[in-house]
Amino acid sequence: GENVEQHPSTLSVQEGDSAVIKCTYSDSASNYFPWYKQELGKGPQLIIDIRSNVGEKKDQRIAVTLNKTAKHFSLHITETQPEDSAVYFCAASTGTASKLTFGTGTRLQVTL
Amino acid sequence: ETGVTQTPRHLVMGMTNKKSLKCEQHLGHNAMYWYKQSAKKPLELMFVYNFKEQTENNSVPSRFSPECPNSSHLFLHLHTLQPEDSALYLCASSQGGTSGQTQYFGPGTRLLVL
Repeated sequence: GENVEQHPSTLSVQEGDSAVIKCTYSDSASNYFPWYKQELGKGPQLIIDIRSNVGEKKDQRIAVTLNKTAKHFSLHITETQPEDSAVYFCAASTGTASKLTFGTGTRLQVTL
Repeated sequence: ETGVTQTPRHLVMGMTNKKSLKCEQHLGHNAMYWYKQSAKKPLELMFVYNFKEQTENNSVPSRFSPECPNSSHLFLHLHTLQPEDSALYLCASSQGGTSGQTQYFGPGTRLLVL
């Protein structure tokens, strides 16, 4: 089955700096890659996603890149703010089913 | 607010108790999911229901019993749980049960088994 690895597990940046979180996946048939943000006491919320026919997608301060050949995808957050502090999860979906395989999460801390 | 609600938000139970977790989605979706979130582990998919039919059982022990009476409601019945079952149980829904469908999560039920 699919295996998703996520790095780093923790990331501390100063407000205004950029943050990058990287994920690799094992199944070359994976075709959908969402990123979720989970704040304390809440469930994961989708922040951006990308499909296998696209190499990059951007939404304001958030961008995701996908390298199908290398089987990795990354989340980029620019001009970080304290409210960006949370745990971020990447995931991959394969084939015709809706099954998502998640990474282990990255705890992002944005300091003043 | 994602349109997916879960009750209770917190639950403490003994190993001999029977309890149920409830999930309701107000999004008109047709697929619903149960996930288990433990510390320092990836979210683990437990069950998938598509149009009220179970389409995935990810080798979950029989002490967890799901029920999906309609596309808007999902239950997880718990009995004779073990302390290692303590975790955050998350419900999610999506428009359909095919790949590439965005899943919307509820806030979860924090379960502690004593």
